[in-house]
Amino acid sequence: EAQVTQNPRYLITVTGKKLTVTCSQNMNHEYMSWYRQDPGLGLRQIYYSMNVEVTDKGDVPEGYKVSRKEKRNFPLILESPSPNQTSLYFCASSWARGPYEQYFGPGTRLTVT
Amino acid sequence: TQLLEQSPQFLSIQEGENLTVYCNSSSVFSSLQWYRQEPGEGPVLLVTVVTGGEVKKLKRLTFQFGDARKDSSLHITAAQPGDTGLYLCAGGGSNYKLTFGKGTLLTVNP
Repeated sequence: EAQVTQNPRYLITVTGKKLTVTCSQNMNHEYMSWYRQDPGLGLRQIYYSMNVEVTDKGDVPEGYKVSRKEKRNFPLILESPSPNQTSLYFCASSWARGPYEQYFGPGTRLTVT
Repeated sequence: TQLLEQSPQFLSIQEGENLTVYCNSSSVFSSLQWYRQEPGEGPVLLVTVVTGGEVKKLKRLTFQFGDARKDSSLHITAAQPGDTGLYLCAGGGSNYKLTFGKGTLLTVNP
């Protein structure tokens, strides 16, 4: 089954404790992206990657890191999480050509206390 | 910065009613996508329109892309409780990014 998986689905952590959210896709998509979704603000892109070893900033990259060492994986790293990073996070993938139709993962709900 | 505004923000209707939601921008998009998101899940792509004036139908859902490719509408006929969800539009431009609207939260009551 074609899918995007994320882990963990739920995470409660404390300020400053480094964490990684994993994302994996089995569709051989070149393009992968991370979004955060907040009430009243909608979906905002954090980082994206056009292919292995190619990443670029989205609209809200501050406080986040990503890496793309393999085509199927695109982990999101929060090196020193803060409460304002409490949010619902989605990983998505697509082909690296227009119109970039996104296949989303199930989401990771992160709470930073 | 390209922006997409969706209206209405919230919509609550009875089963069997018809409805239309809108997605508007002052910018031209090369494509327009509609997604539906159910609680606790990621958005799921419903349709992509790429040509100005294009109309696509998906069972009871009708999608239209404006002639100038700046706006789109989603019309649902005889809404059912299973149509409940957050409807998001997303515009594709000349770069690799999609611009998402904030969504219309639809509730269809039995």
